[in-house]
Amino acid sequence: NAGVMQNPRHLVRRRGQEARLRCSPMKGHSHVYWYRQLPEEGLKFMVYLQKENIIDESGMPKERFSAEFPKEGPSILRIQQVVRGDSAAYFCASSTSAGANVLTFGAGSRLTVL
Amino acid sequence: AQTVTQSQPEMSVQEAETVTLSCTYDTSESDYYLFWYKQPPSRQMILVIRQEAYKQQNATENRFSVNFQKAAKSFSLKISDSQLGDAAMYFCASLEGSNYKLTFGKGTLLTVNP
Repeated sequence: NAGVMQNPRHLVRRRGQEARLRCSPMKGHSHVYWYRQLPEEGLKFMVYLQKENIIDESGMPKERFSAEFPKEGPSILRIQQVVRGDSAAYFCASSTSAGANVLTFGAGSRLTVL
Repeated sequence: AQTVTQSQPEMSVQEAETVTLSCTYDTSESDYYLFWYKQPPSRQMILVIRQEAYKQQNATENRFSVNFQKAAKSFSLKISDSQLGDAAMYFCASLEGSNYKLTFGKGTLLTVNP
């Protein structure tokens, strides 16, 4: 079992560009969560998705950020027109059912905005 | 809303000694879970130990144990016989039973001195 796979591990973008972060959950997991870790901070919840559905996006910034988890393929976190404040580590986690008490994290994607 | 506080930004311990990392939390729920995660330089989030609030017995995983004081809302992590590989950032986190959003503290950076 390959675990939760995230790519890219490192992404550098210039201000105004788009960033796409991908997450493949563990085999058999249909629930995906995205968290953001700003420098010197703990992780903060962004969005919770099931296949083809956004369940809770209360932690997502209202503009420029979107997430999807299509029927086929990985979950995507998309950040449009990136700004320096978007520089952070973005973690994906997955679980077999709703509820994070058995949640498995990926290794994260570090976004740097120049 | 849940809050998790880690009052020690940094701690250090000598190899083979014991160290305790502090965590306090606040929740209005009676059903909740508490976690300690380890984040080594690789940035992978690794679950160290988990405690269900309804269990009075403190959780233990090999050299890692917790002191769960429910009335005081305290959840400290004790690492015995510290090893060089224990050096990492340690995050305390809570989850309300009816929810799926983990709430993290800001972390404690543990250094292990040879």
